[in-house]
Amino acid sequence: GAVVSQHPSWVICKSGTSVKIECRSLDFQATTMFWYRQFPKQSLMLMATSNEGSKATYEQGVEKDKFLINHASLTLSTLTVTSAHPEDSSFYICSGTTGPYEQYFGPGTRLTVT
Amino acid sequence: GEDVEQSLFLSVREGDSSVINCTYTDSSSTYLYWYKQEPGAGLQLLTYIFSNMDMKQDQRLTVLLNKKDKHLSLRIADTQTGDSAIYFCAESMRGGKLIFGQGTELSVKP
Repeated sequence: GAVVSQHPSWVICKSGTSVKIECRSLDFQATTMFWYRQFPKQSLMLMATSNEGSKATYEQGVEKDKFLINHASLTLSTLTVTSAHPEDSSFYICSGTTGPYEQYFGPGTRLTVT
Repeated sequence: GEDVEQSLFLSVREGDSSVINCTYTDSSSTYLYWYKQEPGAGLQLLTYIFSNMDMKQDQRLTVLLNKKDKHLSLRIADTQTGDSAIYFCAESMRGGKLIFGQGTELSVKP
């Protein structure tokens, strides 16, 4: 199956700093990438949808100025958490899709803000 | 709005069959999915079913879809300890986004 990687897999940062998370589709071109957030023992909540070369579409309640998404190429999307606070600590998962059927997920990035 | 519901826990003995149930609300969903998540990892696509199908079987996995009742189930035959994980059902929405259930934690006892 198709492979999606995320980097870093785990990051600890201080409150007020910014953190960038990369999501790459390694063996396919992802026309659309999705960013999800998952709290412990909870489901995945969609944060935003990004299409290559255009602005991301954010879900209701997600601050676009805080969670900056860039989808610069068909194989790379980045999520930058700006001015991170402890409540931003979470597991962030991206996925890529080439069509309507299958969505391939990355392994996730655990963000801890101290 | 869109909503997907699952029971939170299921415990079975090794060798038994597991049945994980899911209900969804949006009848326009084209595809319904089952994903597996192991601790600290991302999601692994197990199987999906097109909305005009009633059943799909793939080795030990059987998916049943009752579109009238908006009920989806995943049956795992001969459950093994390696099947212990959290299982999410999801429905597809417009634009390809997925709405996930809360996840069912499957515990397989030897």
